[in-house]
Amino acid sequence: EIVLTQSPATLSLSPGERATLSCRASQTISNLLAWYQQKPGQAPRLLIYDASNRATGFPARFSGSGSGTDFTLTISSLEPEDFAVYYCQHRYNWPLTFGGGTKVEIK
Amino acid sequence: EVQLVESGGGLVQPGGSLRLSCAASGFTFSNYWMTWVRQAPGKGLEWVASLKQDGNEKHYVGSVEGRFTISGDNAKNSLLLQMNSLSADDTAVYYCARGLTPGTFDIWGLGTVVAVSS
Repeated sequence: EIVLTQSPATLSLSPGERATLSCRASQTISNLLAWYQQKPGQAPRLLIYDASNRATGFPARFSGSGSGTDFTLTISSLEPEDFAVYYCQHRYNWPLTFGGGTKVEIK
Repeated sequence: EVQLVESGGGLVQPGGSLRLSCAASGFTFSNYWMTWVRQAPGKGLEWVASLKQDGNEKHYVGSVEGRFTISGDNAKNSLLLQMNSLSADDTAVYYCARGLTPGTFDIWGLGTVVAVSS
């Protein structure tokens, strides 16, 4: 089973600041990584797929990068609606696994 | 509108069974992998099971293997999850999700709550 480790667990930032979230895989997963955004009481939403492809409905301030074992989600300038929990998830093999999540909170 | 609506959750005693349903609309159900993902209270997301479009390929997380069965009804555009031998560890919100790819989930339902307690 591939373990995904997300860091930091919590990121305290102000609107307008840049957010950099990390996801590290326990083995290489090529570019087969997705990121999801989840707000309290809501279902997750697909944000990035295959490491760097932005999903429908998300603005260009969100970007994903990385391959192999190290991946990054960047939010260039935080908007109030971006404060949420972000999960990474691989699709390299079965079982699929998610990272533990990074909470981006308002400082 | 593309939509997934889960139902069938509730309170069940340890050792009991429950069947979850997910009604799909707005897309051709038979063209997609479908998946169940769960989230225990205050915890992160956990992939549970996935089903290939033709029903001939199924995958489960180890902790539910032999207890849960995923299936689909293409005629009714619905995904099912039969859950047996439930324990407190199965308490969670269960989400149904559509596969953009076999392992990437682009459409999610709102979830149904399963609580296992005596």
